[in-house]
Amino acid sequence: DAGVIQSPRHEVTEMGQEVTLRCKPISGHNSLFWYRQTMMRGLELLIYFNNNVPIDDSGMPEDRFSAKMPNASFSTLKIQPSEPRDSAVYFCASSSGVGQETGELFFGEGSRLTVL
Amino acid sequence: SQKIEQNSEALNIQEGKTATLTCNYTNYSPAYLQWYRQDPGRGPVFLLLIRENEKEKRKERLKVTFDTTLKQSLFHITASQPADSATYLCALDKGGGSYIPTFGRGTSLIVHP
Repeated sequence: DAGVIQSPRHEVTEMGQEVTLRCKPISGHNSLFWYRQTMMRGLELLIYFNNNVPIDDSGMPEDRFSAKMPNASFSTLKIQPSEPRDSAVYFCASSSGVGQETGELFFGEGSRLTVL
Repeated sequence: SQKIEQNSEALNIQEGKTATLTCNYTNYSPAYLQWYRQDPGRGPVFLLLIRENEKEKRKERLKVTFDTTLKQSLFHITASQPADSATYLCALDKGGGSYIPTFGRGTSLIVHP
C-alpha cells in the first residue's frame, strides 16, 4: 500500500484566500484524523472521522475551518478565509479502528501551509 | 486541566548508551499509551503501544514502561545509534471510552557518534 497520501505538500497563499488540503487514507482503514502541528502547540487534533462520519470536531479552531469525507478514500480540510496564524503543517492520519488491537495511526507526510 | 508533558530540552547522548525519554500526564485515565518517532519534514511513525494493564513492553532495542500510579511512561532505546536521532512523541487516549490519541509535544533525541 502507498500509505496515507496528502496533497499539496507545500502551499503558500495570501491572507484571505481559500485553502483546500486533501487526503487519501490507507485502503480499508475506517478512521481518519486531521492534526495540525506548530512549534508552539505541537500536534493538535482538529477532527476525527469514523466510517466517513465526523465524530469529534471539537478541535476545529473556528468556522473558517471545515472538513469533509465524502467517501472512504478521500477527505478534505478547507480553510476559508485563511489567516497568517493558520500557518502550520497539517497532517492526515488513518487507522484500522480506534480502540482496536493497536490503535496505531498511520500518518501522511503532511501539508506545510504558509499564509502571508 | 489535562496535560501531557515531555521534556522540551533535547537529549544528547553518546552512541552505544541507553536513551531514556519521559512522558508524564495529568488528569487523564488512558486505556493505552503510544510512542511515535518523527523525523524532520516527515509524519510521525508508530513505534510501540502499551496498555493500562501492562507494565512493560519491548520491541528489539526499544522498551516502554507504563506506571498508571505515577502517571508516567518511560521510553528506552538501548545501544543507541546516530540513526536513532529524531523527535519522539508520546500519545495517549482521553480515556472514558474515547480512544482518540492526544499527543505530547515530543522530545528531540540526538545521538552523537
